[in-house]
Amino acid sequence: QVTLKESGPVLVKPTETLTLTCTVSGFSLSPITVGVGWIRQPPGKALEWLAHIFSDDELSYNTSLKSRLTISQDISKSQVVLTMTNMDPVDTATYYCARIPTISHWYFDLWGRGTLVAVSS
Amino acid sequence: SYELTQPPSVSVSPGQTARIPCSGDALPKKYAFWYQQKSGQAPVLVIYGDNKRPSGIPERFSASSSGTMATLTISGAQVDDEADYYCSSTDRNFNVVFGGGTKLTVL
Repeated sequence: QVTLKESGPVLVKPTETLTLTCTVSGFSLSPITVGVGWIRQPPGKALEWLAHIFSDDELSYNTSLKSRLTISQDISKSQVVLTMTNMDPVDTATYYCARIPTISHWYFDLWGRGTLVAVSS
Repeated sequence: SYELTQPPSVSVSPGQTARIPCSGDALPKKYAFWYQQKSGQAPVLVIYGDNKRPSGIPERFSASSSGTMATLTISGAQVDDEADYYCSSTDRNFNVVFGGGTKLTVL
């Protein structure tokens, strides 16, 4: 069974750095043709893509958030990690990780359940 | 920044055909992908590539594209199809972009 599961803090303070981990099972991160991305959704609002990674050399960031984001992967642990610096209350959202099944077209065929992160002092 | 535009809401009666449009300047050269998100749940891919459905997605879901407009069609919509639907594509800067979402009501 293929699954993705997000983990991380439920509450962070403004200006802090958020670190989220996506642990995958049922598939390997090692083929460069398979990627994992992060998408977030503020309460009641639309989806917003943040970043994705196929390999250490094949990764992409949302242009508007690039300065705050870092994505990496640990193939041996089947994990993809996203860090977002300088958190603000507007970053309060459910954060999803999802699989990209092909490097040719960037879409998400399997999603984790998401993790709600609140930013508040 | 690049945008994909969707109407906020679409409403149909059960058994009718629901059409959800998505417009974007890059769509003539890029695929549109479609996701269904039911209340309180994670999104689910319903259409990818050239009108392809993942395993488990009913045949009543289909998609088409013409010029700058992509359309998700649900033929014979059911109450269970009530959800938010998002289109997605990529822009010229290799950003993944989502539309603002369309709330489908079937009643």
